[in-house]
This record gives sequence, structure tokens and C-alpha cells, in this order.
Amino acid sequence: QKEVEQDPGPLSVPEGAIVSLNCTYSNSAFQYFMWYRQYSRKGPELLMYTYSSGNKEDGRFTAQVDKSSKYISLFIRDSQPSDSATYLCAMSAKWGAQKLVFGQGTRLTINP
Amino acid sequence: DTGVSQDPRHKITKRGQNVTFRCDPISEHNRLYWYRQTLGQGPEFLTYFQNEAQLEKSRLLSDRFSAERPKGSFSTLEIQRTEQGDSAMYLCASSHWGQDNSPLHFGNGTRLTVT
Repeated sequence: QKEVEQDPGPLSVPEGAIVSLNCTYSNSAFQYFMWYRQYSRKGPELLMYTYSSGNKEDGRFTAQVDKSSKYISLFIRDSQPSDSATYLCAMSAKWGAQKLVFGQGTRLTINP
Repeated sequence: DTGVSQDPRHKITKRGQNVTFRCDPISEHNRLYWYRQTLGQGPEFLTYFQNEAQLEKSRLLSDRFSAERPKGSFSTLEIQRTEQGDSAMYLCASSHWGQDNSPLHFGNGTRLTVT
């Protein structure tokens, strides 16, 4: 079993919809949780990071962490075609840790 | 801040050949990482440097792989006697480790195709 599980999709939604992306994990040592966005043929770009449990909001993006369930989510409001990309969750036990453990990535398409 | 730069963007080689990739990190970052990403998967950690010291290597990094960061600035990743299973995107990332740790910033990768 992988340390981090993420549904690879693909996920296709109409423009303006609310998108929910999720990851589960098994390692209770993970404390820091990140979401990266990766466009085709590009490197991952950091979207948001959170520490421990709770919510964090940045514009149209909200990250949630539920450590008791070992479950993290990324919500995208008012989704735009430019949000079409692969979304990767990543985790580590320490901030600035050398080794991030990534999920498989969810491929998202926003249809105009 | 010009971001993490990787060269070449794409490399096609025949099985058995050696290849070398280069990564130039963000200038003020003292940590440099190499990850590998295969199609449809998330990146997997290979190795990292703090300044010029290579501090950890993953079990994924076989003896055919070697990475260097000679002056604590740019890094090279060499693969000897390439195999078809080495075909992947090789990602470099950098971060600052110290008083104010920063998250990892990735380059756009070098896509290796071994024929």
C-alpha cells in the first residue's frame, strides 16, 4: 500500500463548478501538507501548504486537513478552464524536509 | 528570481548510452533535490544536497546514477548505461534551509526517453 493515495481521475467538470480533490495517507508522522499544480510538460508549482489540521484559504482555493481521518482536501471555487491541470498532494513529517511524499496526481479538466 | 532551470528539456538516447542533466537552482537556495516522475505518477525522491554535500540518496538511485553539486550551486545528474526503465521526467527542485525554511520550488524537468 502506498503511503499517499490519490484518485488519478480524470475529473471533468463545467466552468464555474466547485471542485473537490482529495488524498488519504497512512503515515501519522506527516505534519505538513502541500498541494502542487502541474500543467502538461511543466514542473509542479506549489499552490498551498498547511500545517497539521485545519483549513487554509487563498483566493478561490481552500485546503483542508483532517489528521484524525488522515484525509486532506483541496477545493476550487468558481473553477476556470485555466485550472485544468494535474493536482498533486504532497506531505512531509517536517517543514523543509528533504523528502516529500507525493500522491499519484488527479488530472482535472474544466470545460468552458 | 528566475526560478529553477533545467537543461536539456528533452533528451532521447539509445539504451546503453550515458546521459547527463543539469540543474541551476534559485540563487539563494542552499538545498537542491532530484526527483523522478514517470507517466501518470507523482514525483519520487531520488537525492538531495545541502550546499555541496549530498546528504541522502533513495534506494531508487542505483549505482548507475550519480549526482554532484561541486560548488554548492548548480547540480548534475548522470545516468550511465541507460535502460528503457530509466525513461521518465527528471525534476530538480530547490529550497532554502535555515532560519526561514522555504517550500520546494521545482523546475520544468528533463524528459528522458531511452529507445
